[in-house]
Amino acid sequence: AQTVTQSQPEMSVQEAETVTLSCTYDTSENNYYLFWYKQPPSRQMILVIRQEAYKQQNATENRFSVNFQKAAKSFSLKISDSQLGDTAMYFCALGAYNTDKLIFGTGTRLQVFP
Amino acid sequence: DGGITQSPKYLFRKEGQNVTLSCEQNLNHDAMYWYRQDPGQGLRLIYYSQIVNDFQKGDIAEGYSVSREKKESFPLTVTSAQKNPTAFYLCASSIIPLGNEQFFGPGTRLTVL
Repeated sequence: AQTVTQSQPEMSVQEAETVTLSCTYDTSENNYYLFWYKQPPSRQMILVIRQEAYKQQNATENRFSVNFQKAAKSFSLKISDSQLGDTAMYFCALGAYNTDKLIFGTGTRLQVFP
Repeated sequence: DGGITQSPKYLFRKEGQNVTLSCEQNLNHDAMYWYRQDPGQGLRLIYYSQIVNDFQKGDIAEGYSVSREKKESFPLTVTSAQKNPTAFYLCASSIIPLGNEQFFGPGTRLTVL
């Protein structure tokens, strides 16, 4: 069975600071994707960043980067220079190549304070 | 613009009534998905479909039904058999169903009165 665990239900950070959200997962597959999705108060799910498991280089998208530790099955999200618009729920998700669905974590609620 | 639309945004239903939530995509994606989200919780998969006229149950399919008569459309019916239907419902699609990125619609908030 595949699982995704987000152990931080809530986090807060001051504007312009850096915050890291944790995600661990479990899968027996060798080929899979990992994702971070953002759900702001509008509730629209937005893809923040994706990582293919076969790639050793950590993915980055502007202020967002990941620390992908394949052996440890860890996939944390770092948000640099936090902005008020980063306030949202963040979901980590796992998708294995031979399955038809994504497995989502329970989410981390991030609050950015001015 | 390509994307996924869901309608209506808000839906109210009386107990004992069936209600259908619409989901349409013009992304030419093969796979479509329905999720349920309860307050403060993650996403739970209801049904998904990889191809027209075929669909599979997700983790919480009881009390729900779907159809996939067209590639672009994947409506979800919440039946009276669903005991606690008040929730936020999200539709998603993906170009390759094998664990790839999913694109989401804006969601429908269903409230049972």
